[in-house]
Amino acid sequence: EAGVTQSPRYAVLQEGQAVSFWCDPISGHDTLYWYQQPRDQGPQLLVYFRDEAVIDNSQLPSDRFSAVRPKGTNSTLKIQSAKQGDTATYLCASSFITGGGEQYFGPGTRLTVL
Amino acid sequence: SQLAEENSWALSVHEGESVTVNCSYKTSITALQWYRQKSGKGPAQLILIRSNEREKRNGRLRATLDTSSQSSSLSITATRCEDTAVYFCATGAPRFGAGTKLSVKP
Repeated sequence: EAGVTQSPRYAVLQEGQAVSFWCDPISGHDTLYWYQQPRDQGPQLLVYFRDEAVIDNSQLPSDRFSAVRPKGTNSTLKIQSAKQGDTATYLCASSFITGGGEQYFGPGTRLTVL
Repeated sequence: SQLAEENSWALSVHEGESVTVNCSYKTSITALQWYRQKSGKGPAQLILIRSNEREKRNGRLRATLDTSSQSSSLSITATRCEDTAVYFCATGAPRFGAGTKLSVKP
């Protein structure tokens, strides 16, 4: 069974540019999470979905970040006008809530904003 | 804000030794999870321990949970070089601590 896949694996931007990250969860997983992990820190939850509905986006900087999961499968996280402070690894994870909720993480996208 | 935090920034042991990573958390929980993250990879769940459990094992790993002191520990016996990683405890959605960096040396 394929794991969680993310693309791109790396991105380098100038401040002010936009970038999108894409996540393909494990087939059948109804819950999808996006995390931001700055260097030498733990993952910080940004947003999570159950099917296509946003369950919690309270930690998502809404002025520049947006996330969608329109069909309850793949998801896109977008940063408008990136800042140097957005430099981090962006992790996607998925889980099947009825199956105990264990999260499976993708390899992440490492973003550097110059 | 962090709901769970590991108590050590870094630990170093030699292969074959045992090591314990400790974690404290701030709110009542239904479960606590221990994760391991190797360099360049996403975290992988090692053990999920529920609030009505005091101990749970997974091979060389043993997690304990003390709800009265709001603390948990993860012990690894007979460590191997491949156990070198960052170890996190997490609760809720989950929300992660900063992690403990474990180095296992030959």
